Amino acid sequence: EIVMTQSPATLSVSPGERATLSCRASQSVSSNLAWHQQKPGQAPRLLIYGASTRATGIPARFSGSGSGTEFTLTISSLQSEDFAVYYCQQYNNWPLTFGGGTKVEIK
Amino acid sequence: QVQLVQSGSELKKPGASVKVSCKASGYTFTSYAMNWVRQAPGQGLEWMGWINTNTGNPTYAQGFTGRFVFSLDTSVSTAFLQISSLKAEDTAVYFCARGLTVFGVVTPGSWGQGTLVTVSS
Repeated sequence: EIVMTQSPATLSVSPGERATLSCRASQSVSSNLAWHQQKPGQAPRLLIYGASTRATGIPARFSGSGSGTEFTLTISSLQSEDFAVYYCQQYNNWPLTFGGGTKVEIK
Repeated sequence: QVQLVQSGSELKKPGASVKVSCKASGYTFTSYAMNWVRQAPGQGLEWMGWINTNTGNPTYAQGFTGRFVFSLDTSVSTAFLQISSLKAEDTAVYFCARGLTVFGVVTPGSWGQGTLVTVSS
């Protein structure tokens, strides 16, 4: 199975600053990569699919890039509601696999 | 709008069974795949598999064969996850998640609120 590795595990950022989250796949997943956001006690929410396409209703401050094995989620100017755990997930191969998550916390 | 409403929390004893429901609304139920995802306490997300809501054919990820069963009642737009012979390590939040596109990409696009299953004697 494809192993997804996210870094860093925790990212401390001040509100208004830019956050850059990384995700690496153990083999190519083409552009079949999604990002999900999860706040404490809540269900995940799809942010990005196809590596760079924002899901319906997702603000433009969220952007995704990359292909193959290296991917990035960028939050251009962190808002208070963006502090959460972010998971990357590949859907190029079965089984679908998630990364371990990056927690974005307030600095 | 798409809504996936799951059944409430469950407390079960080891060896018992549990059936979690996921009622869909706001779209044509049989046009999108339904995934199941597990999240153990304090842990990340783990994909359990998916069910083709058009054919009823389930696909299970490794580690979720045998005791785990996905099923449907299309007459009420509801998917089910049944777990038998429960163990303490089955304690987790279980999410249903609709596939991303019509008859296409299976990956989760919309998520249910989750159901906490606690297994304890």
